[in-house]
Amino acid sequence: AQSVTQLGSHVSVSEGALVLLRCNYSSSVPPYLFWYVQYPNQGLQLLLKYTSAATLVKGINGFEAEFKKSETSFHLTKPSAHMSDAAEYFCAVSDRNTDKLIFGTGTRLQVFP
Amino acid sequence: DAGVIQSPRHEVTEMGQEVTLRCKPISGHDYLFWYRQTMMRGLELLIYFNNNVPIDDSGMPEDRFSAKMPNASFSTLKIQPSEPRDSAVYFCASSFRGVQFFGPGTRLTVL
Repeated sequence: AQSVTQLGSHVSVSEGALVLLRCNYSSSVPPYLFWYVQYPNQGLQLLLKYTSAATLVKGINGFEAEFKKSETSFHLTKPSAHMSDAAEYFCAVSDRNTDKLIFGTGTRLQVFP
Repeated sequence: DAGVIQSPRHEVTEMGQEVTLRCKPISGHDYLFWYRQTMMRGLELLIYFNNNVPIDDSGMPEDRFSAKMPNASFSTLKIQPSEPRDSAVYFCASSFRGVQFFGPGTRLTVL
């Protein structure tokens, strides 16, 4: 069975600081991995996806994630946080056979001025 | 494309009433998903369809919940009778080739 673990339900950073949101996955087959962002009172929006091409994936708004098979990780990073990055971030995994996603519990990012 | 469309955006109803939530997926997408999001339980997958056929409804909490997809451009999620614990934000998402696109959600409040 597939699963996703997001370490840290809340992360706080100062504006301009590095953002690091952690995601570890479990999958018996090569996975597809995703990061979604949810702004207040909105639906989830795709940030980026890994589908077995390059291991470093660049997404929207300056975010990127690196697939590390040896660590079963897919951490999300951004070099410099902006106030507008404050949102909830979800990591997700799929098994490639269906479009069903298994979501993590989410990490709420706060950005302080 | 306008994206996934959900209606209504907000629904307030009284316990015992029937509630119907509606979703129009993105044209050409072959999967449709219904989710529920609450503070306590997070994001839960209720049911999903592939080419209008229900594939997995194991997340539907009770028989009070039912979902249909009569054609490729429309789906409904019905709760009958509604209860206060059904209060949540309900999301519809559609996908093609593995990427899900979410609608804006329907915020349901059952008094």
